[in-house]
Amino acid sequence: QKEVEQNSGPLSVPEGAIASLNCTYSDRGSQSFFWYRQYSGKSPELIMSIYSNGDKEDGRFTAQLNKASQYVSLLIRDSQPSDSATYLCAVRSNFGNEKLTFGTGTRLTIIP
Amino acid sequence: ETGVTQSPTHLIKTRGQQVTLRCSSQSGHNTVSWYQQALGQGPQFIFQYYREEENGRGNFPPRFSGLQFPNYSSELNVNALELDDSALYLCASSFHRGQDEKLFFGSGTQLSVL
Repeated sequence: QKEVEQNSGPLSVPEGAIASLNCTYSDRGSQSFFWYRQYSGKSPELIMSIYSNGDKEDGRFTAQLNKASQYVSLLIRDSQPSDSATYLCAVRSNFGNEKLTFGTGTRLTIIP
Repeated sequence: ETGVTQSPTHLIKTRGQQVTLRCSSQSGHNTVSWYQQALGQGPQFIFQYYREEENGRGNFPPRFSGLQFPNYSSELNVNALELDDSALYLCASSFHRGQDEKLFFGSGTQLSVL
């Protein structure tokens, strides 16, 4: 079992709709969760962090965390073509907290 | 822009050679982490440096080594290059603060080993 799993996609969403990206993790001791956006040929860019169960909103982005289910998601409202990218879920465990473990990413395409 | 700079941006080497990649961290950050990202994969943790000491290492062989300097800049050295070392090498800087430590990545060095 992979430590951090994401559906590789591609996920296609019409412009203006809600894009929903999901991530599961295997280490129950994980405490910190991050979403990065990576455009093709570029480096990852941090867009959201979440540490507690529930929702965290930042503009058009909402991160959701459910530690009991070992599940974290990212919702993008009013999707724009500029949101087309690969979204990486990253997890930091409670122990050995120097490293982030990344999923393989979900490729999102917003269709105009 | 994150303020994290990496050099060079691209590099072509042959198998068996050695390579040094460089990273300057963002102002105010004291920690540097290095990641390897193969095509179509997520970044894989190589190691982290804090206060000029290695502060954690991923599942990479000893031919991957690093340094952090007093100004918090860092180098990644890879000896005896193998074809599978071809990847995007990412440097990330952060301020060491535990669980809520956020990593900010540089633009990366694309290494091709022929």
